[in-house]
Amino acid sequence: DTGVSQDPRHKITKRGQNVTFRCDPISEHNRLYWYRQTLGQGPEFLTYFQNEAQLEKSRLLSDRFSAERPKGSFSTLEIQRTEQGDSAMYLCASSLGVRRTDTQYFGPGTRLTVL
Amino acid sequence: KNEVEQSPQNLTAQEGEFITINCSYSVGISALHWLQQHPGGGIVSLFMLSSGKKKHGRLIATINIQEKHSSLHITASHPRDSAVYICAVRSNAGGTSYGKLTFGQGTILTVHP
Repeated sequence: DTGVSQDPRHKITKRGQNVTFRCDPISEHNRLYWYRQTLGQGPEFLTYFQNEAQLEKSRLLSDRFSAERPKGSFSTLEIQRTEQGDSAMYLCASSLGVRRTDTQYFGPGTRLTVL
Repeated sequence: KNEVEQSPQNLTAQEGEFITINCSYSVGISALHWLQQHPGGGIVSLFMLSSGKKKHGRLIATINIQEKHSSLHITASHPRDSAVYICAVRSNAGGTSYGKLTFGQGTILTVHP
């Protein structure tokens, strides 16, 4: 399977714990995006990488959230001191990055439940 | 007011019916995407439009840039079309902001046999 993969697919944690999610984009894709989707809503942008550079961060991404893409390949999204409001589906997408309007390919998402 | 608004929020149809989902947006865009999301979360890109009309099988997407409006049509709907359909736009703002998508809230489509 050469699509975007995310790990884990599901995560249940207690409030106050730290969690880390991983996204592996399609191998030749330069751009990588993180989105968050709460129940009944469309996804919301969190952050975006061009290769290893984090080019934009949403105001939704509080100081408890950090994302990295150290070698321009896979990316991690860490949430520290989780809160119940962090419960959501975290989606990763990647795109080739050669044009401004290239198609984004989405991973299956990581569903986070904070108890 | 959200930058991207979809209507209707919920749509129920009988198999074979013609379906239209609408999307209006308030920002300048470089492209508009129609996405399909099945239960469990997986999102598939159906169309990317910057002008005119595109067709793929029973799906047709149109966009009117002047009116800032797009429609997704499904002809001869089938129960397997049941999913959430999401409209998303890519801003034409300069700098680094052009990478991200801004999404509508989605339209839940249920097609009954």
